[in-house]
Amino acid sequence: QQQVKQSPQSLIVQKGGISIINCAYENTAFDYFPWYQQFPGKGPALLIAIRPDVSEKKEGRFTISFNKSAKQFSLHIMDSQPGDSATYFCAASKGDKIIFGKGTRLHILP
Amino acid sequence: KAGVTQTPRYLIKTRGQQVTLSCSPISGHRSVSWYQQTPGQGLQFLFEYFSETQRNKGNFPGRFSGRQFSNSRSEMNVSTLELGDSALYLCASSLRDSGWTEAFFGQGTRLTVV
Repeated sequence: QQQVKQSPQSLIVQKGGISIINCAYENTAFDYFPWYQQFPGKGPALLIAIRPDVSEKKEGRFTISFNKSAKQFSLHIMDSQPGDSATYFCAASKGDKIIFGKGTRLHILP
Repeated sequence: KAGVTQTPRYLIKTRGQQVTLSCSPISGHRSVSWYQQTPGQGLQFLFEYFSETQRNKGNFPGRFSGRQFSNSRSEMNVSTLELGDSALYLCASSLRDSGWTEAFFGQGTRLTVV
């Protein structure tokens, strides 16, 4: 019940393409779903987050789509750039507990 | 505003030794959480401290311990090191007096056990 399953484990996308990373959770009590971006040698940094009362949130080229009934959410990166190459973690949180997915290593081909 | 500072950045230790890692949170943040990051397991939660009290604990053996001081700085200790303890150890700080708020991560301490 506490797992967050993230896929794919790694992803290669052409520059200008759309990168899509998916996550699924089990515990319906989760009420905050952040995405973190981590560059090599750095700690994860919050990229974008959503609460389950909305189905989509967009910030620049980054969009979270949220499907409450399916208990799934995804990150879409439009017009992917080489600078987006990083590891992305989804997470689900309730109160003071947060569970992270295992991460997706994204590589954007120039 | 200074970010989360972790020291040291890199450590090499021998099996059986112990190690202490330090984390200074962002000024005003009272919550500090520790994570172990490995390529195969992602981010694994170790424990969280809030106002000098351990509030949550992950599924790690008792060799992993921590504490938080009155200035919110936190230390993590690993005793009797094993090869499998080699990982990036991250701490995150947040205001978090109730509910989840944005967590800010440090750059981590890369521990290698040989």
